[in-house]
Amino acid sequence: QVQLQESGPGLVKPSQTLSLTCFVSGDSISSGGYYWSWIRQHPGKGLEWIGYMYYSGSTYYNPSLKSRGTISIDTSKNQFSLNLSSVTAADTAVYYCARDRRTLHGDWVDSWGQGTLVTVSS
Amino acid sequence: DIQMTQSPSSLSASVGDRVTISCRASQSIGNYLNWYQQRPGNAPKLLIYTTSNLQSGVPSSFSGSGSGTDFTLTISSLRPEDFATYYCQQSYSIPHTFGAGTKVEIK
Repeated sequence: QVQLQESGPGLVKPSQTLSLTCFVSGDSISSGGYYWSWIRQHPGKGLEWIGYMYYSGSTYYNPSLKSRGTISIDTSKNQFSLNLSSVTAADTAVYYCARDRRTLHGDWVDSWGQGTLVTVSS
Repeated sequence: DIQMTQSPSSLSASVGDRVTISCRASQSIGNYLNWYQQRPGNAPKLLIYTTSNLQSGVPSSFSGSGSGTDFTLTISSLRPEDFATYYCQQSYSIPHTFGAGTKVEIK
């Protein structure tokens, strides 16, 4: 059974870069069939899809990030990361890493990390 | 972006009740629609994928239907552990947008 665990600072200063890593166990990131995702949830609000990446390099992002986001994968460590630059208070949220099953018949997120709260404040 | 509109935003129900939650897409998304459950303090959990396919381990009291722009999540008989917030998500096009959620509360 796959498990995902986010790691990273809980506090980031405005204008700096938010960096999170997701450690994956119970599955190989390079096994194929899955995209590795980041999704966030502003306090008390709904879910926002950030983007996802396939182990071979294909990456898709939410245009609302205005090119501030970068997702990368390290297959040797079986982990993937999110960098979000030029953060503001509006980036304060719980960040989830997740596994997205992608098929010809659609995508769905079948496994989630527990989430990590990142606060942007000076 | 495709906008996903859920209704109602919240509802009160009793254990054993039948509950229906609606999700409408701003354009046709075929059957590329998923449902998630989120209990307070927890990550979301996949319930149903591609409109009507029950995720492994999810009780058969959950079902999904619809196509195009209109979709429904039905809980045939509410259990105490079903009181949570439910989100729909479209995977038809990037970004994979979510609805704002429907909170199911105890009456």
